[in-house]
Amino acid sequence: DAGVTQSPTHLIKTRGQHVTLRCSPISGHKSVSWYQQVLGQGPQFIFQYYEKEERGRGNFPDRFSARQFPNYSSELNVNALLLGDSALYLCASSAPLSPGRSGELFFGEGSRLTVL
Amino acid sequence: QQQVKQSPQSLIVQKGGISIINCAYENTAFDYFPWYQQFPGKGPALLIAIRPDVSEKKEGRFTISFNKSAKQFSLHIMDSQPGDSATYFCAASIEETSGSRLTFGEGTQLTVNP
Repeated sequence: DAGVTQSPTHLIKTRGQHVTLRCSPISGHKSVSWYQQVLGQGPQFIFQYYEKEERGRGNFPDRFSARQFPNYSSELNVNALLLGDSALYLCASSAPLSPGRSGELFFGEGSRLTVL
Repeated sequence: QQQVKQSPQSLIVQKGGISIINCAYENTAFDYFPWYQQFPGKGPALLIAIRPDVSEKKEGRFTISFNKSAKQFSLHIMDSQPGDSATYFCAASIEETSGSRLTFGEGTQLTVNP
């Protein structure tokens, strides 16, 4: 089975531009989360979607938005890019928590965004 | 109250040695504590995880020790191998039906010399 897939893998933007990152979860997973990983730091939670509804939002400005589609894929949008938005953006999916099943997050390989 | 603090920042171990990485958390509501391994250019991959109802969990060469009263947990890698060279992240979350929202530590860059 395919893992979490993200696109694009790398992209370069200039300040003020907009970016859209895409994620396809593992088949059967209904929860998708987005994390930002700045070089040399741990991932920081941005958004969580479950069954197409936003279930959580981290401490990020309104320039960051996301959505989940009926097929459970997801998009992360960032407007008015700043130099500090340069990071690896990770998408993770998980199966619903249930007895005997952990809420393990499976991460994709990320989209590396460079803002010049 | 959402922080997870990890140490050391970097660690160098000889092949066959024991690697120990420590984490401390503040939020007593956390009930799921995973460790992730990340290689350059890759996303984090779950290594091992523990819940606060046990004090230790072992999977192969990897062991988590958990001290609920001290709000600390640690990863022990026995017989460390050069292939274990990677960045390790501890994390914590409150498990929910919709999935976990992980709070990560800052990471430990492990180098295992041959």
